[in-house]
Amino acid sequence: SSELTQDPLVSVALGQTVRITCQGGGLGTYYASWYQQKPGQAPVVVIYGKHNRPSGIPARFAASRSGNTASLTITGAQAEDEADYYCNSRDSTGNHLVFGTGTKVTVL
Amino acid sequence: QVQLQESGPLLVKPSGTLSLTCVVSGASIRSSNWWSWVRQPPGKGLEWIGEVYHSGSTTYNPFLRSRVTLSVDTSKNQFSLKMNSVTAADTAVYYCASWGVEWEESFDVWGRGTMVTVSS
Repeated sequence: SSELTQDPLVSVALGQTVRITCQGGGLGTYYASWYQQKPGQAPVVVIYGKHNRPSGIPARFAASRSGNTASLTITGAQAEDEADYYCNSRDSTGNHLVFGTGTKVTVL
Repeated sequence: QVQLQESGPLLVKPSGTLSLTCVVSGASIRSSNWWSWVRQPPGKGLEWIGEVYHSGSTTYNPFLRSRVTLSVDTSKNQFSLKMNSVTAADTAVYYCASWGVEWEESFDVWGRGTMVTVSS
C-alpha cells in the first residue's frame, strides 16, 4: 500500500515541458527523491535531498514542493526521458519509507 | 564506485521462505548508511520492504513486518532478506539498494535486481 499518489499516465510532446506530481504521506515535512525506471532496468535516482541532481542527470530535471505535494518537472523533454517515474519519501508517521504509485511518461 | 549484487534462489514454493543476500562492494557496510530491500511485482510499482543498519537495527514496511527479517553480516560486507510464508503475490523482482551512500536522502545505488517466482 502506498501513501504517495501519482498520476498513472502523462504524455508530453518532444521538447515540451511536463510536470509529474506526488501527493500525500509525509511530504509536508520531508523532501521527495525521484527515480527514473526504464523497462528491464533498475531505478535510477534523478533528484535527491533538497531538490538536488546527481552528477550525470541533465539540468532539464528539476523538483519542487508545495504543501504536501512534490513535483518533478522535465523542461524540454527528450525521447530518452520516456520511462516510469517514482517519488519516494516518508509516510505520514515519518517512521517508514514509501514509494509513490508511479507515473508512466510518454514522449510523443 | 559502490556496487550491489543480489543472489539467492529464483524459485520458492508457496508457504516457503524466500532468502536473498546482497553483497556490497566499493563501500563498507559499516559506513553511516542504511541498506534496503525493494521489490517490484511484474507490471507493478516499487514497494519498500525494509532497511537494516550495520549495527543490526532494522525498520520494516508495516504491511510486511510480520513476515520479514533483515540482517547484516559485516565480516562479509553483505546484508540479507528473509521472507516467510510466501504466496504467489510475493513473486517480484527484488532489489537491494543503499540509502545515502553517494546522494543524501535517496536510494542512490541499486543492485540489478533478481526475479523471484513463488510457485509449486
